[in-house]
Amino acid sequence: QLQLQESGPGLVKPSETLSLTCTVSGDSISSSTYYWGWIRQPPGKGLEWIGTIYYTGITYYNPSLKSRVTISVDTSKNQFSLRLSSVTAADTAIYYCARHILTADGDSWGRGTLVTVSS
Amino acid sequence: DVVMTQSPLSLPVTLGQPASITCRSSQSLVYSDGNTYLNWFQQRPGQSPRRLIYEVSNRDSGVPDRFSGSGSGTDFTLKIRRVEAEDVGVYYCMQGRFWPYTFGQGTKLEIK
Repeated sequence: QLQLQESGPGLVKPSETLSLTCTVSGDSISSSTYYWGWIRQPPGKGLEWIGTIYYTGITYYNPSLKSRVTISVDTSKNQFSLRLSSVTAADTAIYYCARHILTADGDSWGRGTLVTVSS
Repeated sequence: DVVMTQSPLSLPVTLGQPASITCRSSQSLVYSDGNTYLNWFQQRPGQSPRRLIYEVSNRDSGVPDRFSGSGSGTDFTLKIRRVEAEDVGVYYCMQGRFWPYTFGQGTKLEIK
C-alpha cells in the first residue's frame, strides 16, 4: 500500500532554509508513470502547488517561488526533498508531498507536516 | 497564472439532498492531445486533500459514484447526488493544463 511521509523541522527561523523530505513506501520513486510534488497550505487557507519532480530529475517550480525552491530526488532512498530558502512568516504552512498523475488513477498525498517560520 | 474561480464558497446542504459546485478557469483547459486537465479534490476536516475526479469526469478508485464531474473548456461542475455526513469538508478544483498548477479558493460543504 502506497504511503508518503513528510519529515523535517516543524520550526524554522526567518531568513533560514526550510528542508523537508518525503519518504515513499509501497511504490518506486523511479516509476516512469508518476510525478512527485510538493504542495502547501497556510493554516485555514487554500492550496498552492510548489513544484514537481520526475524520477529523472526534471523539475517544475512555481515561478512565484522559483528563486527560492529546490526539489531533488534520491532514488536509492526512495525519497524526494524540498528546500525553500530565505523563509518568512508567509511560508508558514502545512506542507504536503504527493504522487501525482493527471491522466489516470493513482494520485496520493501524504498527511502533511506543519512548518512554522518564527524566531 | 490560470485563475480558478469556484462558487459558491459556502454550501449548506441537507442530508440526502444533491449538491453542486461550479468552477471556472481563466483559460481553456483543453490540451493539444484533446484531454482536459481539470481535477476535483475533497479535503475533510483535519485531513489531507484527496483527489476525487481527474480529466473532468473520471472518478478515482474508491470514490463513491454519487460524485460526478462534468464540463468543458472553461466551465466545470462537481455534483454530489445525495449528500452524506462523510462529505463534509472543503472541495477544490485544480487545473493541470498550465504550469503552475492552480487551485480554486475552495467550497466549504456543511450539513444544514
